[in-house]
Amino acid sequence: EAGVAQSPRYKIIEERQSVAFWCNPISGHATLYWYQQILGQGPKLLIQFQNNGVVDDSQLPKDRFSAERLKGVDSTLKIQPAKLEDSAVYLCASSPWDGRGGRTEAFFGQGTRLTVV
Amino acid sequence: GEDVEQSLFLSVREGDSSVINCTYTDSSSTYLYWYKQEPGAGLQLLTYIFSNMDMKQDQRLTVLLNKKDKHLSLRIADTQTGDSAIYFCAESSGDYKLSFGAGTTVTVRA
Repeated sequence: EAGVAQSPRYKIIEERQSVAFWCNPISGHATLYWYQQILGQGPKLLIQFQNNGVVDDSQLPKDRFSAERLKGVDSTLKIQPAKLEDSAVYLCASSPWDGRGGRTEAFFGQGTRLTVV
Repeated sequence: GEDVEQSLFLSVREGDSSVINCTYTDSSSTYLYWYKQEPGAGLQLLTYIFSNMDMKQDQRLTVLLNKKDKHLSLRIADTQTGDSAIYFCAESSGDYKLSFGAGTTVTVRA
């Protein structure tokens, strides 16, 4: 089974530029997550999709961050404009969880390391 | 996150047991997890425990849960150099939104 694919692996941009990350979840997984992991901290949930609907985006800085999951499969996360404090690893994860309770495992991609200079 | 706390570093000799501790605040936590992150890699689920259990063993891994004190621990028996990594404690409360601790960096020395 192919894992969660993310691209690019690394990105360096200047402050105030825009950047986009792409995620291809495991086939058939209904739930997709974007996490931000700042160096020395645990991952923080930015947004959670179930199919193509948003379940939770309470911690997404909506003035500069946006995400979409068209057709309930691939997802993109965009930052526009970027700030220095956005330097982090952006992790995408997917899960077969369908919102009806129980426990399912979240599978993580390798992440995109963003450096804002 | 601030809801899950862990000690930041642990150094252990190869062959000894490692114990990583975690405390959480959400009393409605349903599942508690341990994830492992190696350099440049994503997070890998090691094990999990349901909140109505107090112990779970899986090969070299033993998870202990004290629900009254909201304390979770992970014991790794016979620690090997390949166990060097960052270990994250995480909790969820049914909606599968994972809240992670800051991670414990485990260094295994020969």
